[in-house]
Parts: sequence; C-alpha cells; structure tokens
Amino acid sequence: GAVVSQHPSRVICKSGTSVKIECRSLDFQATTMFWYRQFPKKSLMLMATSNEGSKATYEQGVEKDKFLINHASLTLSTLTVTSAHPEDSSFYICSARPGPTLTYEQYFGPGTRLTVT
Amino acid sequence: AQSVTQLDSHVSVSEGTPVLLRCNYSSSYSPSLFWYVQHPNKGLQLLLKYTSAATLVKGINGFEAEFKKSETSFHLTKPSAHMSDAAEYFCVVSVSDRGSTLGRLYFGRGTQLTVWP
Repeated sequence: GAVVSQHPSRVICKSGTSVKIECRSLDFQATTMFWYRQFPKKSLMLMATSNEGSKATYEQGVEKDKFLINHASLTLSTLTVTSAHPEDSSFYICSARPGPTLTYEQYFGPGTRLTVT
Repeated sequence: AQSVTQLDSHVSVSEGTPVLLRCNYSSSYSPSLFWYVQHPNKGLQLLLKYTSAATLVKGINGFEAEFKKSETSFHLTKPSAHMSDAAEYFCVVSVSDRGSTLGRLYFGRGTQLTVWP
C-alpha cells in the first residue's frame, strides 16, 4: 500500500516551453502533497506544500508564477514548470501524506528528471 | 527551529561488515524521525521511523536506529552490509510547525554509502 506515482519519469523540453508533472496517490487519499527539487548530489529542497482544494504554500525563494501547483483532487497534484530554462533542469520529487493522520509520514514518488535544452 | 546534521557525506564499508550512518537533530518540539534510502535516479523509500514509541526502531532490510534524546542522535546501523545497500541515505526530522499541522520534513544533506565486495 501507500504507493505514489509520478508521470512522466523523464522529460526533455526546449527552453521557453512549459511542462507538466503529475503526482498521484494510487491507493490512498492525500489531503496534503509536497513538491521537492533535488540537485545533483544534494539533498531535497521543499518547493511547496499543497492542500486539496486550496492554494499551494510556497517556500521562500520559489517563484509561484513559474512553478504552478494544482491539487484538484485527493489523489492528484500537478506541477507545471512554465517558460522553462536550462537552470530549471533538475530531479523533481513529489510526496503525499494520507489524511487524516496522526503521524507526519510522507510517501514519495519515484521522481521526474527534467532536462531543459 | 528544526535541523538535521548527517555527520558523514560518504561512508565506505566492505560487504559483510557493520554499517553506521550518523545523524544528529535539533528540534524545538518532540520530533518524529525517519531514515529514507534513495537509489540512483529513484524516489525515496522509507527504511524506518521513530514516533515517540520504542527508542530502538527496526526497519526494513535489517536496518535499525536508536533514538537517544540526551545525545539528540538517531544513528542508523546494520550488522552486515550487502552490495545492494549501496545508495544515498537521508535522515529526516518532522514536527508540527508552530500554529500549523503541516508536518514539514527537514532533510539532512545525505550520506552516500559505498559497499565494497
């Protein structure tokens, strides 16, 4: 149980285009989903927290107009990188937390490798 | 404030020898602590978690960790390393944010474990 999927697993796009990444909780409902970014040989950086049906909360320094997050249902959150540039190339990982829950365990997706050329 | 310090960026062991990955945390509140493992280009897999129950926590694949409040440590150990254990390991702390229940995760920088044959 507690499986989170991401699609696509890898994507290459041209500079200036937008790309959408989907995060789905397959066997549980997730009231809260998180989006992380991981640079090579670095730890995970929290980008934003999204609660179903409300606006995402972005971390300091993350551009909300560039990284659009939608959490339209209890099993799906999307991250859209708008007007992508090469510096946006990274490994993006989502996680989902079942709700309601007494612990703060998050289940992670397998990640999406984005390459902007 | 919450933070996690993984004392070693790289650890190398021979197959069949013990593994010790060190982690110290700082938390203003009672923490939940986790160890996650990440294989190359993969998402994160939960190894084990501490959530204020038994201080010695057993996880998957023979790993265990001991919560020591007096030392603010949560070191990860395994009696005998396997080649398949080679991966990146993250120590993570989670608490309720003040005035919030988002349960944000705070990641250590990671420890790369190499296992020699």
